[in-house]
Amino acid sequence: GNSVTQMEGPVTLSEEAFLTINCTYTATGYPSLFWYVQYPGEGLQLLLKATKADDKGSNKGFEATYRKETTSFHLEKGSVQVSDSAVYFCALSDRNTGGFKTIFGAGTRLFVKA
Amino acid sequence: GAGVSQSPRYKVAKRGQDVALRCDPISGHVSLFWYQQALGQGPEFLTYFQNEAQLDKSGLPSDRFFAERPEGSVSTLKIQRTQQEDSAVYLCASSLTGGWTNEKLFFGSGTQLSVL
Repeated sequence: GNSVTQMEGPVTLSEEAFLTINCTYTATGYPSLFWYVQYPGEGLQLLLKATKADDKGSNKGFEATYRKETTSFHLEKGSVQVSDSAVYFCALSDRNTGGFKTIFGAGTRLFVKA
Repeated sequence: GAGVSQSPRYKVAKRGQDVALRCDPISGHVSLFWYQQALGQGPEFLTYFQNEAQLDKSGLPSDRFFAERPEGSVSTLKIQRTQQEDSAVYLCASSLTGGWTNEKLFFGSGTQLSVL
């Protein structure tokens, strides 16, 4: 079945450091890939997405490229801020039983120190 | 309201008690999903509705879990004879059509269930 594996946290960085959170997936079809973010005390919200191979999703300085050859969708940001402290979830969505199902990784907690 | 609304925000139940969790999706959203999120884990899929039809309930952990969406809008997740292992945050999400894999999900803030 479909699955998502992402690097374990927590990840602790200093402000302005470079961020990478690894994500790999297993899927039988041609899924769309997502990164969702959960800020403290808030619900999950979409950060970015990519719908086909070689697409790059980007938002708020974050980027991720859909790599079909390595089945990966790693999240990167060149210079993190304290306000980026949150839990980041990699996810995939694939067609299933007439609709679609989104499957999430376990999440990676990011702490950014001033 | 503008977003997905869930109630109650917190629920404490004694083991063996029945509970009902409510979800109000964004108006006009066709698809509705329930997820279970254990502490420190990602959301685990429970069930999915397209309008009033429950198209996938493969993630419901046992026959004590039941979900409905009778008029294609508000949904209720019911857990009968609650057990301690049911303690988790229950998330509801909706999406506009549900027909496309590239659609994003809009999440509610969740109901945190604690079974004592």
